[in-house]
Amino acid sequence: DTEVTQTPKHLVMGMTNKKSLKCEQHMGHRAMYWYKQKAKKPPELMFVYSYEKLSINESVPSRFSPECPNSSLLNLHLHALQPEDSALYLCASSQVMREEETQYFGPGTRLLVL
Amino acid sequence: GQNIDQPTEMTATEGAIVQINCTYQTSGFNGLFWYQQHAGEAPTFLSYNVLDGLEEKGRFSSFLSRSKGYSYLLLKELQMKDSASYLCAVRKTGGFKTIFGAGTRLFVKA
Repeated sequence: DTEVTQTPKHLVMGMTNKKSLKCEQHMGHRAMYWYKQKAKKPPELMFVYSYEKLSINESVPSRFSPECPNSSLLNLHLHALQPEDSALYLCASSQVMREEETQYFGPGTRLLVL
Repeated sequence: GQNIDQPTEMTATEGAIVQINCTYQTSGFNGLFWYQQHAGEAPTFLSYNVLDGLEEKGRFSSFLSRSKGYSYLLLKELQMKDSASYLCAVRKTGGFKTIFGAGTRLFVKA
């Protein structure tokens, strides 16, 4: 099983809403990532979790709140977002103990903030 | 600082060979990845190079020269389904951060 799953696939929310994006992997990977990708731009790293602990926060605004409840799950809680936060949100995971730390990406959640 | 450069767009003919170049400048280098991304989809892993030389994997090959800060992705026997963006990404030392280039959009024509 080399699959990273993400739900929902699409999400439309207002600026006052609270929503959560979910990511799951069962590959035994101990590093999980959130990326944001705008149209025709490369993915930009937001957060990295290593062994369920937040390792990297790329100066992301507090309206994005990550959570890693266990080694298989990664959530991104959204609150009071802005229209410019509309993007494709990608989750990825990698096996941190190996030299070749390939990141496996999920299909993404396409978010539209109105 | 860090910088990754790759051409914005390339066009090639079905059945031909195409080489997509990537140059990088980064403080701390721990490997270079190539990913393929179709429009509206997530990136998928193609190759990883950490040592100098050529890695071949079927129709795809990737080359790295660490001293020159240079890599290329070689696609042989092009197929229409190879039309996609190809992202060059550099892994920095000391953590898990991967810096992505802007991507090269490849158009394969009949």
